[in-house]
Amino acid sequence: NAGVTQTPKFQVLKTGQSMTLQCAQDMNHNSMYWYRQDPGMGLRLIYYSASEGTTDKGEVPNGYNVSRLNKREFSLRLESAAPSQTSVYFCASRERVSRTTGELFFGEGSRLTVL
Amino acid sequence: AQKITQTQPGMFVQEKEAVTLDCTYDTSDPSYGLFWYKQPSSGEMIFLIYQGSYDQQNATEGRYSLNFQKARKSANLVISASQLGDSAMYFCAMREGPGYSSASKIIFGSGTRLSIRP
Repeated sequence: NAGVTQTPKFQVLKTGQSMTLQCAQDMNHNSMYWYRQDPGMGLRLIYYSASEGTTDKGEVPNGYNVSRLNKREFSLRLESAAPSQTSVYFCASRERVSRTTGELFFGEGSRLTVL
Repeated sequence: AQKITQTQPGMFVQEKEAVTLDCTYDTSDPSYGLFWYKQPSSGEMIFLIYQGSYDQQNATEGRYSLNFQKARKSANLVISASQLGDSAMYFCAMREGPGYSSASKIIFGSGTRLSIRP
């Protein structure tokens, strides 16, 4: 029961470097989300995707790009990392449902440090 | 605009007491959903309870209940008979739009850190 898998779990970057966070879910969910969580704070939505090939901006999209490669995978790219992007990144997915909860299922998080 | 507010940054509660964590929300969409998640120090996100905007009764899940006051736009989490293992961060979240829509944005509040004293 893998659920939502994120890679890598830890990454240290230098300012200006680029990297991609990978996320894959095996629950056949339509919707996928990327959040960031800064120390002692809540989760802020970066981007989300309703289906393959579609993406929408969330609350804090600046400095990020995303790709919904297929139904399973949703990647987050930092083109030129900045210290302000030091955070824990969570990927999540959910199924669209009519009469049940449709809650988010989360990955374990990816801790990114930008020096 | 969609907004979630948690006004209690931290709370201390004696073991076995009941505790209420506050959450207020704002949305212009008549169809929405409200969630509570628990995040222990290990970092994973654990789903606790859900309330739909059209649900007539308050949601309950074991020791968790959601005090849903639609007119006041509040969705407080009540934990009965608190335990040491309840010490964690608690987040309120809102989905704007119906559950059958895959295009729904889901946003979170800033959280409440709950500490249970033995």
